[in-house]
Amino acid sequence: QKEVEQDPGPLSVPEGAIVSLNCTYSNSAFQYFMWYRQYSRKGPELLMYTYSSGNKEDGRFTAQVDKSSKYISLFIRDSQPSDSATYLCAMKVPGTYKYIFGTGTRLKVLA
Amino acid sequence: DGGITQSPKYLFRKEGQNVTLSCEQNLNHDAMYWYRQDPGQGLRLIYYSQIVNDFQKGDIAEGYSVSREKKESFPLTVTSAQKNPTAFYLCASSSVDEQFFGPGTRLTVL
Repeated sequence: QKEVEQDPGPLSVPEGAIVSLNCTYSNSAFQYFMWYRQYSRKGPELLMYTYSSGNKEDGRFTAQVDKSSKYISLFIRDSQPSDSATYLCAMKVPGTYKYIFGTGTRLKVLA
Repeated sequence: DGGITQSPKYLFRKEGQNVTLSCEQNLNHDAMYWYRQDPGQGLRLIYYSQIVNDFQKGDIAEGYSVSREKKESFPLTVTSAQKNPTAFYLCASSSVDEQFFGPGTRLTVL
């Protein structure tokens, strides 16, 4: 079993839809969770950073962590064609400087 | 303007040649990283450095070398020993918990 699992997609939605992107993980010690957006041939851009459980909102983006289920989510409201990208989840390995990444979910928002 | 810069954006190498990818950051971060990204495989850690003059191998260090002589700089050399070097290379740096990425270098072996 991989430490972090993420559905590769692609996920296609119409403009204006609410998008839900998810990752599951196996290590219950993970405390720091991140979501990145990566456009084609570009570096990943940090979108959301969450510590421990709960929700965090930033504009149209909401990050949610459910530690009891070892499940994290990124919600995008009122999705736009410019949101079309690959979304990567990441977690920091406790006690180290290392990070574990999901393989990414490709999102396409259709105009 | 704070951030991470990588150069060049595109790099072409003949087989048997060593090439060096540049990474510079002005975020005052202690830790720096090199990842390799291949389609469908996500990010794989090559090397990382927590502090100047110290670095550790990641998951796929064979055929690569690094140095960390300055806090701001963490160059990666892809040697001729790397059997399949064509990939997208990403440099990153981190504060206590958040990690930030540079724009990447696309290396192609001819």
